[in-house]
Amino acid sequence: GQNIDQPTEMTATEGAIVQINCTYQTSGFNGLFWYQQHAGEAPTFLSYNVLDGLEEKGRFSSFLSRSKGYSYLLLKELQMKDSASYLCAVLDSNYQLIWGAGTKLIIKP
Amino acid sequence: GAVVSQHPSWVICKSGTSVKIECRSLDFQATTMFWYRQFPKQSLMLMATSNEGSKATYEQGVEKDKFLINHASLTLSTLTVTSAHPEDSSFYICSATSSGRAVFSYEQYFGPGTRLTVT
Repeated sequence: GQNIDQPTEMTATEGAIVQINCTYQTSGFNGLFWYQQHAGEAPTFLSYNVLDGLEEKGRFSSFLSRSKGYSYLLLKELQMKDSASYLCAVLDSNYQLIWGAGTKLIIKP
Repeated sequence: GAVVSQHPSWVICKSGTSVKIECRSLDFQATTMFWYRQFPKQSLMLMATSNEGSKATYEQGVEKDKFLINHASLTLSTLTVTSAHPEDSSFYICSATSSGRAVFSYEQYFGPGTRLTVT
């Protein structure tokens, strides 16, 4: 079956750096998305990786290793507003998005 | 750009009644729309995928006669929860893709969600 694993919850301190990991086993691979979802709101797009390597976008970076079935989202200079759930999703061979359960990130002052 | 709206944002209804949720792409034509359901502290669960002018494709375990989806135009899809029951209470989110809009065509643009409470 298809499976995406992320930690359920993480806690970090304001101003620090946090890395959220995602491992996947899917039928085919056409890219990996990271979305941010604040409580009670819809997800918003953060990044898309289809090639191996690191994509940097401001305070957020996303890394992909296709051979390892692994990605991470790196958040730098954490702000209180970064408290949210972070969803990893893989586009499989049928171009269907397979969603992870999400990682709830708690930022403490 | 790439704005998706949903209406209503929240609704309370009595058990046994039907509720219609609208999803609109405001500034682009959505070739495909998706309907998700999300229970508290859980991830998104895809319910169905719909393309304009054709019948929706439902995920396994989703009753198509209970969750009616109509994708009548390239900017509007509706989800009707028929004979709602308390267990249907959830956060319903739609999303849309447009092959001509995104650099990577399969990025989904999400609506703000509709919180349904069935009493």
